[in-house]
Amino acid sequence: QVQLQESGPGLVKPSETLSLTCAVSGYSISSGYYWGWIRQPPGKGLEWIGSIYHSGSTYYNPSLKSRVTISVDTSKNQFSLKLSSVTAADTAVYYCARDGGGPTDYWGQGTLVTVSS
Amino acid sequence: EIVMTQSPATLSVSPGERATLSCRASQSVSSNLAWYQQKPGQAPRLLIYGASTRATGIPARFSGSGSGTEFTLTISSLQSEDFAVYYCQQYNNWPLWTFGQGTKVEIK
Repeated sequence: QVQLQESGPGLVKPSETLSLTCAVSGYSISSGYYWGWIRQPPGKGLEWIGSIYHSGSTYYNPSLKSRVTISVDTSKNQFSLKLSSVTAADTAVYYCARDGGGPTDYWGQGTLVTVSS
Repeated sequence: EIVMTQSPATLSVSPGERATLSCRASQSVSSNLAWYQQKPGQAPRLLIYGASTRATGIPARFSGSGSGTEFTLTISSLQSEDFAVYYCQQYNNWPLWTFGQGTKVEIK
């Protein structure tokens, strides 16, 4: 059973960098698939942030590309998200997920990140 | 960017009744369309992919149809556990996924 678990600070100050990690169990990242981040502002819809392959190839949402970095650590079977220069508009539940080339069959439980001073 | 528009925003349905949700794409996405169910405090759950293929473990009362720009999710007989928000997602433009804004199915 594939499981994903997000971790990281729940509170980030404006202008700082949001950092999250997603630990994957039950499947080796090196075996394939892309691995992605999606966010959901409170009471709103879903927004894809970006995805990474085990080789390190990345794709980012153009609207966030200038602020996003996604990296992978295959030795720890995890991948990470960094979002710089955050504002209140970046307050959201952040999900990590297995990107099956579109259909996303495994998701983490999500972690709420609040941007506030 | 491909814009996905869902209607209605809210659908009020009685248990046991049929629910029909719509999703429209701003340009053709072929059959590269998925549907997700999300309950409060939970991650989305994949229901349908390829516009009409049920994901593993999804009950047969959920069905998807359509291609190109017009898609439908039908829940044939609503159960109490089906009251939730439903999102469509296009992945024709992968990896640039986009989601619809969601349809909330509530108890009438």
